[in-house]
Amino acid sequence: ELKVEQNPLFLSMQEEKNYTIYCNYSTTSDRLYWYRQDPVKSLESLFVLLSNGAVKQEGRLMASLDTKARLSTLHITAAVHDLSATYFCAVVAGGTSYGKLTFGQGTILTVHP
Amino acid sequence: EAGVTQFPSHSVIEKGQTVTLRCDPISGHDNLYWYRRVMGKEIKFLLHFVKESKQDESGMPNNRFLAERTGGTYSTLKVQPAELEDSGVYFCASSHPTGGRLAGPYEQYFGPGTRLTVT
Repeated sequence: ELKVEQNPLFLSMQEEKNYTIYCNYSTTSDRLYWYRQDPVKSLESLFVLLSNGAVKQEGRLMASLDTKARLSTLHITAAVHDLSATYFCAVVAGGTSYGKLTFGQGTILTVHP
Repeated sequence: EAGVTQFPSHSVIEKGQTVTLRCDPISGHDNLYWYRRVMGKEIKFLLHFVKESKQDESGMPNNRFLAERTGGTYSTLKVQPAELEDSGVYFCASSHPTGGRLAGPYEQYFGPGTRLTVT
């Protein structure tokens, strides 16, 4: 059974600081997604990582994937208040063509002035 | 392009009552998924439709839950009778085999969710 674990589960950051959220998964994966959920909005996909060594960046967020270690990271650079949200990683198990997602527990990120 | 919509946004019912949640996927998306997040835990897969057929219902918790997608358009998820542990947020998502903003095939677009509270 595919398991996905995120850490930390809670992250309180000061603005302008850097931090990393980690996502470990237990079996081979076809795709790994990072999602963001604002308190009043639904899940918004941020990145998809398809292969070992993949790195994607948008704004202050950068995601990477190490399939050998079964680890993805979401790095936050110079955090700003607008980044406060819950961040989820989600994995599609290897050999699953239709995309059933297995989610991590979510990381609640709060950015303080 | 309209996104995935869900109705109602909130529902408060008593234990033993019945509730029906509705999901309208993005037009043209054959794949429709139901997920739920209970008590701040991880979001868990419930089931997957391809058009009107159930492709995978391995995540359905028990036979009090019934999902339908007649005609392959919108879907309903009925909980009957509801129990306290059914409280949570129920998400619907849809995808298309050949299209997606990020990843092409099967990228899932999520609706806003229905927050269900069973008292």
